[in-house]
Amino acid sequence: KNQVEQSPQSLIILEGKNCTLQCNYTVSPFSNLRWYKQDTGRGPVSLTIMTFSENTKSNRRYTATLDADTKQSSLHITASQLSDSASYICVVSAGTGGFKTIFGAGTRLFVKA
Amino acid sequence: NAGVTQTPKFQVLKTGQSMTLQCAQDMNHNSMYWYRQDPGMGLRLIYYSASEGTTDKGEVPNGYNVSRLNKREFSLRLESAAPSQTSVYFCASSRALGLGNQPQHFGDGTRLSIL
Repeated sequence: KNQVEQSPQSLIILEGKNCTLQCNYTVSPFSNLRWYKQDTGRGPVSLTIMTFSENTKSNRRYTATLDADTKQSSLHITASQLSDSASYICVVSAGTGGFKTIFGAGTRLFVKA
Repeated sequence: NAGVTQTPKFQVLKTGQSMTLQCAQDMNHNSMYWYRQDPGMGLRLIYYSASEGTTDKGEVPNGYNVSRLNKREFSLRLESAAPSQTSVYFCASSRALGLGNQPQHFGDGTRLSIL
C-alpha cells in the first residue's frame, strides 16, 4: 500500500534554532517527492521538488534531502523565523509522470520568540 | 495575480442540505482537483479533471459530484450533506496531469461544517 509517514507530528522550537522534519514513504514506482508549506488558514504552497536522481535541494533556508534507497526524505530549516510556523507536508508522486500523489499528514511546526 | 480562488470561505449546513463549492483558476492550467483535509490525515483526492470536459473519481468520491464548467472553473457539489462531510475542502490546479514535476497550486480552502 502506498503510504507517506511524517514525523514528528508537531514540534516547538525557539526562533533562530534549526530543525529537521522527517518523511518516510512506501510508494512505488517512485516519481518525485515534494515538500509543501501550509500556513494556518491557507492552502499548501510548494517549497521543493526532488526526483529520484537528486539527493539535496535548497530553497533559501529550507534544505530537502532524499535517500531513494531507504525511501526517506528530510526537510531542514535553518535559523528559524516566526514566519516558519506552519504545517509542512511531504507529498510523494508515483507512477509514470507522477500521476498519483500521496500526501503525508504533515508536521506542525511552532516557532516561539 | 489571484491563482486559485475558492468560494465560499466558510459554510455551515444542516444535514440533508445541498450546496456547491466554487473554484476558479487564472493560470491557464489544464488540470484541476478537489481535496478534503481532515485532522491528522493527509489531503485526500475527491475528484479531478485532467482537462476541460473530463472528470474522474479520486480516492473518496462518494457523496460528491463535480462539474468542469470550462477551463477556468471546477465546482464540487454535495447533494445531501452528511456530518461526515465536515471538513476543509481545497481546490488545486496544475499545468497538466501526469507532469509530476509540476506543482499543484492550491486555493485557501472552504471550511464546511455539517450539523
